[in-house]
Amino acid sequence: EAGVAQSPRYKIIEKRQSVAFWCNPISGHATLYWYQQILGQGPKLLIQFQNNGVVDDSQLPKDRFSAERLKGVDSTLKIQPAKLEDSAVYLCASSLGFRRGRDRTEAFFGQGTRLTVV
Amino acid sequence: AQSVSQHNHHVILSEAASLELGCNYSYGGTVNLFWYVQYPGQHLQLLLKYFSGDPLVKGIKGFEAEFIKSKFSFNLRKPSVQWSDTAEYFCAVDSNYQLIWGAGTKLIIKP
Repeated sequence: EAGVAQSPRYKIIEKRQSVAFWCNPISGHATLYWYQQILGQGPKLLIQFQNNGVVDDSQLPKDRFSAERLKGVDSTLKIQPAKLEDSAVYLCASSLGFRRGRDRTEAFFGQGTRLTVV
Repeated sequence: AQSVSQHNHHVILSEAASLELGCNYSYGGTVNLFWYVQYPGQHLQLLLKYFSGDPLVKGIKGFEAEFIKSKFSFNLRKPSVQWSDTAEYFCAVDSNYQLIWGAGTKLIIKP
């Protein structure tokens, strides 16, 4: 089974520039998550999609971050403009979602995109 | 607010030593519990999970965890660690369909 694919693996940008990350979840997975993982901390949920609808975006800094999941499959996360404190690894994960009973929240992760803002 | 606490940020052990990593959570309702592992340069992967039933859960690579409801704990254990267990370990708790994560424990095994 193919895993969660993310690109790019690494990105270095200057502050105030914009950047976009792409995620392709495991086929058939209804739920897609974007996490931000700052060095030394656990993953922090930015946004959770169920199919193409947003379930939770309470921790997404909406003045600069945006995410979409058109057609309920691939997703992109954008930062515009970037700040120094956005330097982190951005993780995409997917899971079967709510319809599959108690396995619903076992999440499978991609390799992540390491963003450095200078 | 719900939270997950991992007791140690860094643990250093010698090979063949026994391991126990602590995890406590604050949510009082029904929870699903997970341990994830991140090996150097690799993505997060599931080590084991607890949904219901036997509170002693066995995972991959000889790891196990015990859910103690009265203590709100889900500690990870391994009787004899190997150098290849060097990684970062995360405890996560699912409540209300949201995964709440601990800050992680970096485990270093000395050969």
